[in-house]
Amino acid sequence: EPEVTQTPSHQVTQMGQEVILRCVPISNHLYFYWYRQILGQKVEFLVSFYNNEISEKSEIFDDQFSVERPDGSNFTLKIRSTKLEDSAMYFCASTGGWDQPQHFGDGTRLSIL
Amino acid sequence: SQQGEEDPQALSIQEGENATMNCSYKTSINNLQWYRQNSGRGLVHLILIRSNEREKHSGRLRVTLDTSKKSSSLLITASRAADTASYFCATDNFGNEKLTFGTGTRLTIIP
Repeated sequence: EPEVTQTPSHQVTQMGQEVILRCVPISNHLYFYWYRQILGQKVEFLVSFYNNEISEKSEIFDDQFSVERPDGSNFTLKIRSTKLEDSAMYFCASTGGWDQPQHFGDGTRLSIL
Repeated sequence: SQQGEEDPQALSIQEGENATMNCSYKTSINNLQWYRQNSGRGLVHLILIRSNEREKHSGRLRVTLDTSKKSSSLLITASRAADTASYFCATDNFGNEKLTFGTGTRLTIIP
């Protein structure tokens, strides 16, 4: 069964550095998302992406964050100038349509030191 | 309560018993989805139920939706040790497909 893949599985970065989290959504899906889960807390929506542009973003998704679909397969989340509070599990998800399930990757655990 | 709150927060049952988890939400929804998360892992999609549906089955899983009460339940029958995980409900609204997750129920199946 097709699945969403994310790399790396774990990223350790010094505060202030930039990180890029990578995702390969399911190939025929059209809608892409990033969520995050701080340890012990709810999964929170960050951003949705459709037709090569952001369709919605949360208050968390400020100028520090950006997303890109550089080619036909990858979907990336860039975090500039990371902060300690950016430490979390980041999940990528994709779906073929608004009335279909969102399928999640296994996540990237981001640790900011 | 916040959009998407599950209860109980934690549930421990003997293997073979049925497990029921509940989810409540506040605003109108388009779809409600249930996910499973094993410790430190990703979210596995279980079932999607639409706002015009009342019940859905998938294997040992049964989901009900009561839009008048803004609540849903997930029933796992004949539980197995492998069902030990956290279970989350997530809702989306018409015209807005982002998911809003609940706080989750931590289910432990005792062999």
